[in-house]
Amino acid sequence: GEDVEQSLFLSVREGDSSVINCTYTDSSSTYLYWYKQEPGAGLQLLTYIFSNMDMKQDQRLTVLLNKKDKHLSLRIADTQTGDSAIYFCAEGENRDDKIIFGKGTRLHILP
Amino acid sequence: GAVVSQHPSRVICKSGTSVKIECRSLDFQATTMFWYRQFPKQSLMLMATSNEGSKATYEQGVEKDKFLINHASLTLSTLTVTSAHPEDSSFYICSALGDRDRGRYSNQPQHFGDGTRLSIL
Repeated sequence: GEDVEQSLFLSVREGDSSVINCTYTDSSSTYLYWYKQEPGAGLQLLTYIFSNMDMKQDQRLTVLLNKKDKHLSLRIADTQTGDSAIYFCAEGENRDDKIIFGKGTRLHILP
Repeated sequence: GAVVSQHPSRVICKSGTSVKIECRSLDFQATTMFWYRQFPKQSLMLMATSNEGSKATYEQGVEKDKFLINHASLTLSTLTVTSAHPEDSSFYICSALGDRDRGRYSNQPQHFGDGTRLSIL
């Protein structure tokens, strides 16, 4: 069945780059998402990429997609304390379809 | 600003109470809304897909008589947890999808509400 896997925890020093990795199994995935969830809050869509793209950059965020390996990564440049949150990787077959989420990666920022 | 409003944000009530959660799309029409559930330190799991004017489609293992969904208008879907028990305590999040053919969100993915934290004593 459909599955999204990501590491559960990442610790990064303030000012360094954070790289969160994700793998998925559904080869029909068209939309690949990164969501951010701060404590006690809902989900914030950070960015998404279509499966026919290799890379997408938006300010400090860079998403890389290796469709052959079904590997997605999110790079946050110049990590700040405000980036401390849980980051969910997710996929969907099409825009109208349900979204399958990974378990989330908790990003911890070291001073 | 927020494009999906969810209310209430937090509910604490006694076992046996029924609780209604509202999900509203703000300034756009959402023919489809989704209801997700998130247990502590877990991922979000889809409970059901709600389409305006028709019955909701529930995921396997979700009791439709326990979790009543009503999508009565293009901007509002409600989830009612009937006769709630402590095991129903969770974080419930809705999302809304803009109409494919019109509106400013016609080509964007789902927008999520801020969630409702339900605690049953």
